Formats: sequence, structure tokens, C-alpha cells
Amino acid sequence: QVQLVQSGAEVKKPGSSVKVSCKAPGGSLDNFPITWVRQAPGQGLEWMGLIMPMFGSTRYSPKFQDRVKISTDELRTTAYMEMSSLRSEDTAVYYCVRKGSSRFFDLWGRGTLVNVS
Amino acid sequence: QSALTQPASVSGSPGQSITISCAGTSADVGSYEYVSWYQQHPDKAPKLIIYDVSHRPSGVSSRFSGSKSDNTASLTISGLQAEDDADYHCASYSGTDPDYVFGTGTTVTVL
Repeated sequence: QVQLVQSGAEVKKPGSSVKVSCKAPGGSLDNFPITWVRQAPGQGLEWMGLIMPMFGSTRYSPKFQDRVKISTDELRTTAYMEMSSLRSEDTAVYYCVRKGSSRFFDLWGRGTLVNVS
Repeated sequence: QSALTQPASVSGSPGQSITISCAGTSADVGSYEYVSWYQQHPDKAPKLIIYDVSHRPSGVSSRFSGSKSDNTASLTISGLQAEDDADYHCASYSGTDPDYVFGTGTTVTVL
């Protein structure tokens, strides 16, 4: 099965930025609406936003609107989630996830741990 | 918008059935047939097990079933097995920002 491949763990200082990547091996993300979901240690899942790579359109949770940018590269083979002004509460595993044909999330990356310390 | 409310933990013996509730509002669970459920084993990514309230993806055991009544969705696991020991998360599409809201998560323990 196709896997979403995410970049490796990051350790960041408070106030800095992080950029996590997500690649669909073998080709384009055009049929892969990508959502980003995070999970703080011992906590539930939290929806951050999504991108429709074919159109470049994005949607964000109001909680992250001011600090998060979701994008793709020009070839639309890799998606990115960039978060700025990091604080300790942003320590979490960040997942890139494909949105299915309806309104659900059917293919998850392995997650990227971002440790803000 | 607040997270959907799930019980923190549910337990059962092998072979039993358990039900996990997911309480939302008329703005999310109550308004759309877009509730989904995810199973997550320790240190693993979540896995879709139910979508659109009651549909199972190919390969997911028929022991998992979903339903919805008013503003509350439910996941039932019948014939509980040791491998069902995991965290379960519900999610719903919402007509307002944010587009999607997840539940608080439930830890299922097979005794």
C-alpha cells in the first residue's frame, strides 16, 4: 500500500520555526488532499488544517491560522507544514494524513515528533 | 470549538462487547453523517476503522460497528480480542471552523 513518508524528528528552541515534510512515494499528491493532525504527549488528536494540492487551496483551524502554513512543492510531490513562534505546548507528534473520498482520513504517515525545549 | 467527548477508558473481557460513546453538538455530530473512528496502538499512527458513521474500510473486522443518534456517535466492538487493546478516537466534520473536530480519546483495556 502507498505510504506517506514524513521527515525525521526535530528538536527546536522556543520562538523558532519548524518545517515538516510529507511525501507520497511514486508520484503526485494531486489526488491526495493532505491534512495535518497533531497529538501532544498522552493527549488526543487535533486537526490543524489541510491542502488540496491540485488547486493549492488551504483551510486552517482558527487555533493555528496565525502560526501555521501548509504548502506543497512546485511538482506537488511533497507537502509541508511549517509552524512558527514555537512554544513548549507545541511539543507533539505531527501526522500528515490523506483525506479520503468523503470526510475521513484514510492514510496516515508515521508521524514526526517535534520537541520544543 | 471544543473536542468531542469520549469516556477516558472502557474495559471488557475477551468475547464481550463494549461500546464507546462520542458526544458532540448539533453543529458537528448532529448535523452530518461524517463521523469516523480511528484505532491507535501504542507508538503507532492511528488507523481508520469506521467512516461515514457506520461504514467499514476494506480489511477491517466486522466486529467493529458504528452508529449515531442525535448528537452522539457510538463505536461497538463485539467479541473483544486481545488485539483490540488500544486507544480509539472519534472525529466529525463540522460546518464551522475548524472543519474537523476529534474526540478526547478512549483507552480500551481487554482484561
